Amino acid sequence: GEDVEQSLFLSVREGDSSVINCTYTDSSSTYLYWYKQEPGAGLQLLTYIFSNMDMKQDQRLTVLLNKKDKHLSLRIADTQTGDSAIYFCAENTGANNLFFGTGTRLTVIP
Amino acid sequence: ETGVTQTPRHLVMGMTNKKSLKCEQHLGHNAMYWYKQSAKKPLELMFVYNFKEQTENNSVPSRFSPECPNSSHLFLHLHTLQPEDSALYLCASSQGPGSDSPLHFGNGTRLTVT
Repeated sequence: GEDVEQSLFLSVREGDSSVINCTYTDSSSTYLYWYKQEPGAGLQLLTYIFSNMDMKQDQRLTVLLNKKDKHLSLRIADTQTGDSAIYFCAENTGANNLFFGTGTRLTVIP
Repeated sequence: ETGVTQTPRHLVMGMTNKKSLKCEQHLGHNAMYWYKQSAKKPLELMFVYNFKEQTENNSVPSRFSPECPNSSHLFLHLHTLQPEDSALYLCASSQGPGSDSPLHFGNGTRLTVT
């Protein structure tokens, strides 16, 4: 079955770059997503990448996809305290469902 | 502001109570979902509805009963729950089957079963 893995915690200093990593197992994934969850809130879609792309940039966010290694990363440039949250990667295998990782809690130190 | 609205935001209920969670989406989507989010566990898909028809029930106990009267509204009826059912229940919507559109989530209902 599908398995999406992420490290649980990441701490960075304000102004530094954050890199959140994710590995997945289903090579038939069509889209891969990054969601952000702030305390007391639902999941907010940040960005997504189609499986035939290897990079996507959206302002401070850069998504890198290594399809061979089934590795996805999210880089946040100039990390701010407002970026502190839990970040989930998710894969869409085309079955109208997303499989989520356990989430990475990003803590930004002022 | 989210296009998916969930009520109530918080709910405390005893094990013998009956309550319902409500979800409404204003995005014109055709698919709606219930997810359960527990501490230290991945999001668990519970139910999927496409065009008001249930297309997935992920082995959810019968004490959870979904209802989808139309493509914009989704309910989760709860009865005789257990303390381990305490969690954040998230509703989501998407364009629907055959689409790779992302899911859009509500802010969830924080359920505590006492």
